[in-house]
Amino acid sequence: SAVISQKPSRDICQRGTSLTIQCQVDSQVTMMFWYRQQPGQSLTLIATANQGSEATYESGFVIDKFPISRPNLTFSTLTVSNMSPEDSSIYLCSVHPTGGMSEKLFFGSGTQLSVL
Amino acid sequence: AQSVAQPEDQVKVAEGNPLTVKCTYSVSGNPYLFWYVQYPNRGLQFLLKYITGDNLVKGSYGFEAEFNKSQTSFHLKKPSALVSDSALYFCAVRDLMNTGFQKLVFGTGTRLLVSP
Repeated sequence: SAVISQKPSRDICQRGTSLTIQCQVDSQVTMMFWYRQQPGQSLTLIATANQGSEATYESGFVIDKFPISRPNLTFSTLTVSNMSPEDSSIYLCSVHPTGGMSEKLFFGSGTQLSVL
Repeated sequence: AQSVAQPEDQVKVAEGNPLTVKCTYSVSGNPYLFWYVQYPNRGLQFLLKYITGDNLVKGSYGFEAEFNKSQTSFHLKKPSALVSDSALYFCAVRDLMNTGFQKLVFGTGTRLLVSP
C-alpha cells in the first residue's frame, strides 16, 4: 500500500498567479500521476511523472501551464501557472506502488483550487 | 483508446435495498476494469478490480461487480445498501499511452444517494 500526503488541501487564488501542489509518498514509487477533477466532471489525467525524466503530458495539457517536478522517488510537485477561473478544480496525485497496472492506484486527498 | 461509460449521473436507493451502479466499457483486447469511490472531501479509494478469472468480483465494504463480456458491462452491486455508502463512484479502465506506460481512464462518475 501507499500513504500519500498532498498539500495544500485547498486554496483560493487570484487570476494570473501560480500555485504549486506537493505530493509526498511514504514509499518509493516509480510512477506518479496527476489528475484533474473539474466540478461535476470525471478525472482527467494531466501527466505522468517518472523520476529522472521529464513528465509525459496528455493531450490538451502542456508543460508551460502545468510544470511538474519529480526530484526523487517519493515526491512530486505540480504547478498550475498563470491561473484563470477555468483552472478551478480538484487536483489529485496518485501513485502506482508496484508499477504493474493490474494493481490499484492510490490517491492523495486532493487539492481543491478556486481561482477568482 | 479504451473508455468506460456510466450512464447514470445519480442513483437513489433506500437503505437495506440492493443497489446497482452501471458501467459499460469499450476496449481493444482484454479489459482491466476498476471501481473507485470518492467520499466528500477525500481522495479516491479502490473498491475492486477485474483482470481475469471469475466474472463476479468481490471487493471492499461488501461491494461486488459482475463482468459481462457479451454486454461489455461491469456493473457495481451491493445486496443491501447503507446510508454510509452515499458517495461518488467511478468506473475505470486501463489504457496504454503512446509512451508505453499505462494509465487509468475514468468514467464520468455516478452519485449514489442512500436514504434512511
